[in-house]
Amino acid sequence: EPEVTQTPSHQVTQMGQEVILRCVPISNHLYFYWYRQILGQKVEFLVSFYNNEISEKSEIFDDQFSVERPDGSNFTLKIRSTKLEDSAMYFCASSQPTANNGYTFGSGTRLTVV
Amino acid sequence: QKEVEQNSGPLSVPEGAIASLNCTYSDRGSQSFFWYRQYSGKSPELIMFIYSNGDKEDGRFTAQLNKASQYVSLLIRDSQPSDSATYLCAVTRSSNTGKLIFGQGTTLQVKP
Repeated sequence: EPEVTQTPSHQVTQMGQEVILRCVPISNHLYFYWYRQILGQKVEFLVSFYNNEISEKSEIFDDQFSVERPDGSNFTLKIRSTKLEDSAMYFCASSQPTANNGYTFGSGTRLTVV
Repeated sequence: QKEVEQNSGPLSVPEGAIASLNCTYSDRGSQSFFWYRQYSGKSPELIMFIYSNGDKEDGRFTAQLNKASQYVSLLIRDSQPSDSATYLCAVTRSSNTGKLIFGQGTTLQVKP
């Protein structure tokens, strides 16, 4: 069964450093997303991406966040200057409007900011 | 008012029983409804989705949707210890293309 692949599985970074989280969505999917889940809290929408541009973003997705699809297969989330409160699980997801299988999530990247 | 509300639980049922998980949502424009299962430290795994009022069955799982009451539920028949997890309700205004709004999740414990 097709999978959404995320790397790395765990990243530890110093406060103020830049991090890039990587995702390879399912190949025939057209819509890509980033979500985050702070420990013990609900899964929160960050951003959706379609046709090489952001289609929607949440209030969380401020200027320190950016997304990119650099090469037609990878989908990245960059956090420019990490804060302690950015520590969370980050999930990438993809979907296809005509598919009868909902949204598929990757296994996640656990980001720890110290 | 929360957009998607679930009782956080834990909901404890004996093995073999029916587990009933409930979810209400506030946006009347919601069109698609999903149930995900999440084990601790893992990503959400899709169990079922439903678009139309009524029931939808898939194996031991039945999703029920009532748009007039803004209510969606998940029944798990013949519950197994391996069903012990957090069940996430998620809704979206679109069909497979918009942002998913998640509830807090209900923790289910199935006791042998």
